[in-house]
Amino acid sequence: DVVMTQTPPSLSVAIGQSVSISCKSSQSLVASDKNTYLNWLLQSPGRSPKRLIYQVSKLDSGVPDRFSGSGSEKDFTLKISRVEAEDLGVYYCLQGTHLPWTFGGGTKLELK
Amino acid sequence: EVQLVESGGGLVQPGASLKLSCVASGFTFSDYWMSWVRQTPGKTMEWIGDIKYDGSYTNYAPSLKNRFTISRDNAKSTLYLQMSNVRSEDTATYYCTRGGVDYWGQGVMVTVSS
Repeated sequence: DVVMTQTPPSLSVAIGQSVSISCKSSQSLVASDKNTYLNWLLQSPGRSPKRLIYQVSKLDSGVPDRFSGSGSEKDFTLKISRVEAEDLGVYYCLQGTHLPWTFGGGTKLELK
Repeated sequence: EVQLVESGGGLVQPGASLKLSCVASGFTFSDYWMSWVRQTPGKTMEWIGDIKYDGSYTNYAPSLKNRFTISRDNAKSTLYLQMSNVRSEDTATYYCTRGGVDYWGQGVMVTVSS
């Protein structure tokens, strides 16, 4: 299975601050169709996960452009510019290139 | 509006079987692959498997393949997860998701305990 290593496990931020979360895979996530199936999800407290970004950098509908995804091959980053209170929760990366799909361990974003 | 509503969870004894359901609405169910994902009490996320839009093909996490079966009834817009010989480590919240996990249900809790 592809191992997804997500860091840091937690982040303490002030509103308005910018933060980055890293996700590294044990194998390249470039698929045979040349796409890279790396997703970012947010699970707000008490809620189901919600997909924010797919294929490394494509924002889902309704996701603020404060969120951005970047990276390639085995190294990916989620950046949140100007954190707002609604951004707090646990972020997960998820690879969908190789079976079985695998998740990172999560990054808990909390208020400082 | 896309909605996924899971049901069928609860307290179950080790070794028993349980079938979860997920009723979909707000989209053409038969056009999409569907998946099951679970989250342990410690918040670890695990992909269980998925099923092709016509039900003709499934993929599973190797560790679960022998005990879990995913199926669907497109006429009822319903996804199923049959769990057999459940173990304490199957205790989790189970989520139904559409295709590339772009939509998630509210989740259903399964607790395996004697």
